[in-house]
Amino acid sequence: EADIYQTPRYLVIGTGKKITLECSQTMGHDKMYWYQQDPGMELHLIHYSYGVNSTEKGDLSSESTVSRIRTEHFPLTLESARPSHTSQYLCASSADSFKNIQYFGAGTRLSVL
Amino acid sequence: SQQGEEDPQALSIQEGENATMNCSYKTSINNLQWYRQNSGRGLVHLILIRSNEREKHSGRLRVTLDTSKKSSSLLITASRAADTASYFCATDARTYNTDKLIFGTGTRLQVFP
Repeated sequence: EADIYQTPRYLVIGTGKKITLECSQTMGHDKMYWYQQDPGMELHLIHYSYGVNSTEKGDLSSESTVSRIRTEHFPLTLESARPSHTSQYLCASSADSFKNIQYFGAGTRLSVL
Repeated sequence: SQQGEEDPQALSIQEGENATMNCSYKTSINNLQWYRQNSGRGLVHLILIRSNEREKHSGRLRVTLDTSKKSSSLLITASRAADTASYFCATDARTYNTDKLIFGTGTRLQVFP
């Protein structure tokens, strides 16, 4: 099992609420990623980071934002949640640039009513 | 899909049978990986094959890579009910930043006892 943790596992909230999805890893990995995945569908990269104070947008446009103040922590924030944000959010990290084997958290399933 | 297409989309077999999944991709790669995802969970790395390798084994897993056809296959031999999951291929295309992976659409495997 990889040492990467996501909280909460499930979140049901109302429209307009601000939410933060937490992701932490204890492996000392510099690279971290956020993916969005609808049920039974492929993963889409929405944010990534190569290290502290580094954040980049991914291939899928997202209204969420991320921060990387500490190596081990990569939270994702939605300022005003909408039903269209309902999805599963997966966090991952990797250490090796060439192989780029990624280690995933268990995910947060978000439902916005 | 940006990069990987997998087929079949879904596969149902009996325990003891072999399961074969195929992945096609669009651009040159450094390596190709296969991941497994249990329902509602994160992905787990299974195996990596480099672009200069043609075949690789790990336990009951056998992966082949044909760079001329831009395709890969994952064979699970003597399947078990516990192999029921979705399987994704992932590539780090040379035309993209090598620190990002592009995931395929996935194959949902169901193994009946």
